[in-house]
Amino acid sequence: EAGVAQSPRYKIIEKRQSVAFWCNPISGHATLYWYQQILGQGPKLLIQFQNNGVVDDSQLPKDRFSAERLKGVDSTLKIQPAKLEDSAVYLCASSLDHFLASRREQYFGPGTRLTVT
Amino acid sequence: DAKTTQPNSMESNEEEPVHLPCNHSTISGTDYIHWYRQLPSQGPEYVIHGLTSNVNNRMASLAIAEDRKSSTLILHRATLRDAAVYYCILRARYSGGGADGLTFGKGTHLIIQP
Repeated sequence: EAGVAQSPRYKIIEKRQSVAFWCNPISGHATLYWYQQILGQGPKLLIQFQNNGVVDDSQLPKDRFSAERLKGVDSTLKIQPAKLEDSAVYLCASSLDHFLASRREQYFGPGTRLTVT
Repeated sequence: DAKTTQPNSMESNEEEPVHLPCNHSTISGTDYIHWYRQLPSQGPEYVIHGLTSNVNNRMASLAIAEDRKSSTLILHRATLRDAAVYYCILRARYSGGGADGLTFGKGTHLIIQP
């Protein structure tokens, strides 16, 4: 079974530039998550999708971050404009569904390491 | 979400058992205890979860205290590949179709000595 795919793996941009990350979840997984992991900390949830609808985006800085999952499969996360403090690893995860704990195991991709200079 | 407390780091020798503790004194009766680990330069991966009874799988065992206020992840025979940050996370039994993102703390950095 193929895992969660993310691209690019690394990205270096200057502050005030824009950047986009792509995620392809495990086939059949209805729920998709984006997390931000700053160096030395645990991942922090940014947004959760169920199919192509947003379930939770309470921690997404909406003035600069946006995300979409148009056809309920792939997702993109965009930052515009980037700030120095956005330097982090951006992780995508998916799960089969998010109703019962026994089916909510999350599978993570390898992440995209963003450096903002 | 109920909070968990873990030691910042632990060290063990290769091929010996490792016991990683987690305190969750404010756990509710319907919270599951989940463990994830994150190997260097990788995304987190699921390890094990349980509710009340001890659980075993191919990766590890989970021992849950009778009052459920603490739990221990047991790696029976640690290898160098087990060096990672281990996260103990509480999750509601039913998300009700709502938000159920994982709330990560800083976890325990496990160091394995050859």
